[in-house]
Amino acid sequence: QKEVEQNSGPLSVPEGAIASLNCTYSDRGSQSFFWYRQYSGKSPELIMFIYSNGDKEDGRFTAQLNKASQYVSLLIRDSQPSDSATYLCAVSGGYSTLTFGKGTMLLVSP
Amino acid sequence: GAGVSQTPSNKVTEKGKYVELRCDPISGHTALYWYRQSLGQGPEFLIYFQGTGAADDSGLPNDRFFAVRPEGSVSTLKIQRTERGDSAVYLCASSPIGGEQFFGPGTRLTVL
Repeated sequence: QKEVEQNSGPLSVPEGAIASLNCTYSDRGSQSFFWYRQYSGKSPELIMFIYSNGDKEDGRFTAQLNKASQYVSLLIRDSQPSDSATYLCAVSGGYSTLTFGKGTMLLVSP
Repeated sequence: GAGVSQTPSNKVTEKGKYVELRCDPISGHTALYWYRQSLGQGPEFLIYFQGTGAADDSGLPNDRFFAVRPEGSVSTLKIQRTERGDSAVYLCASSPIGGEQFFGPGTRLTVL
């Protein structure tokens, strides 16, 4: 059974700091990796995806993938209070269906 | 443009009743997904449609759950003989082939 593991948190960081969110997955056949942000009471919103080993940067966000270690991470630089949300890691194999982790709650204090 | 819409936004029903949840995907998106999210959990995959057919229904928990997409656009998730354990937010997502999944606002189902 495919599993995606995340620390539930909450992860608390001060405004302006770097937030580091981590995720491990069990299925070595996973090919695509996603980070979704979910505000309380709202639906998930895609913020990053990564397919290849290494880093991918988009603005304040950097996704990192290490397939050998089955590890994905998301770094948020210059964290803002508006970044406070639950961050969901999701993986996909050959099909498009996503397997999600439970999410990590991030709290950014002003 | 319009995003994914889901109706109703909230549904309260009694144990043993039948419910239907509707999803209207983004126009032109051929892929449609249903997920279920319980409190404190990530979304859990239920079923995936490519066009009118169910390409993968391996996530449906049992035969009380059924979904259709007869014209390749709107989809309906049907739950028979509801149980309290079915209470959750039911999320629908759509995507173009191989593209990003866009989620709807969800339907919060409460089974009393």
